[in-house]
Amino acid sequence: AQTVTQSQPEMSVQEAETVTLSCTYDTSESDYYLFWYKQPPSRQMILVIRQEAYKQQNATENRFSVNFQKAAKSFSLKISDSQLGDAAMYFCAYRRLRGGSNYKLTFGKGTLLTVNP
Amino acid sequence: SQTIHQWPATLVQPVGSPLSLECTVEGTSNPNLYWYRQAAGRGLQLLFYSVGIGQISSEVPQNLSASRPQDRQFILSSKKLLLSDSGFYLCAWGGTSYEQYFGPGTRLTVT
Repeated sequence: AQTVTQSQPEMSVQEAETVTLSCTYDTSESDYYLFWYKQPPSRQMILVIRQEAYKQQNATENRFSVNFQKAAKSFSLKISDSQLGDAAMYFCAYRRLRGGSNYKLTFGKGTLLTVNP
Repeated sequence: SQTIHQWPATLVQPVGSPLSLECTVEGTSNPNLYWYRQAAGRGLQLLFYSVGIGQISSEVPQNLSASRPQDRQFILSSKKLLLSDSGFYLCAWGGTSYEQYFGPGTRLTVT
């Protein structure tokens, strides 16, 4: 079974600084997708960024970028120029593409990010 | 654009009472639909998913059931709630690039 591990339960960053959130995963699959979701205090899950495993280029969405290391099974999220609105719980998620149960996302336990003014 | 609705937003129910949570999606047809539960301080656990009307797959055997009576409607139910059913319930629909989009959630407290 696939597992997703976020080793940092909490992180903090100063406003305007850069922070990196870590995620590792365990899979025997070669084709899959990885995601980062943000859950602010409202608790609605918001998709931040997506990475296809077959793409070597790291995904970028404005101030958010990932460092995808397929061989190391690592998928970190970098937030640049941190803003107060970035404060939230961040979840890393994995989705396989082949075989049974290929519809579900497997989530890590999350990293709580605090942004200090 | 697609939107997803859930209600109620908050619910307090006594142990042994029934449950019905509703999720509807607008702006897309025949979506894959999902029910997740998030316990306090933890990640999300998939409960059910559906690829079409009347087609429900259960991920975790438990006190809950799901139904999909219409293409864009997904219902989570229980005949008798347990204390352990308390949590935050999220409905999601599947996008074309394998991502999932979530509704605002329902906070359920079983007393």
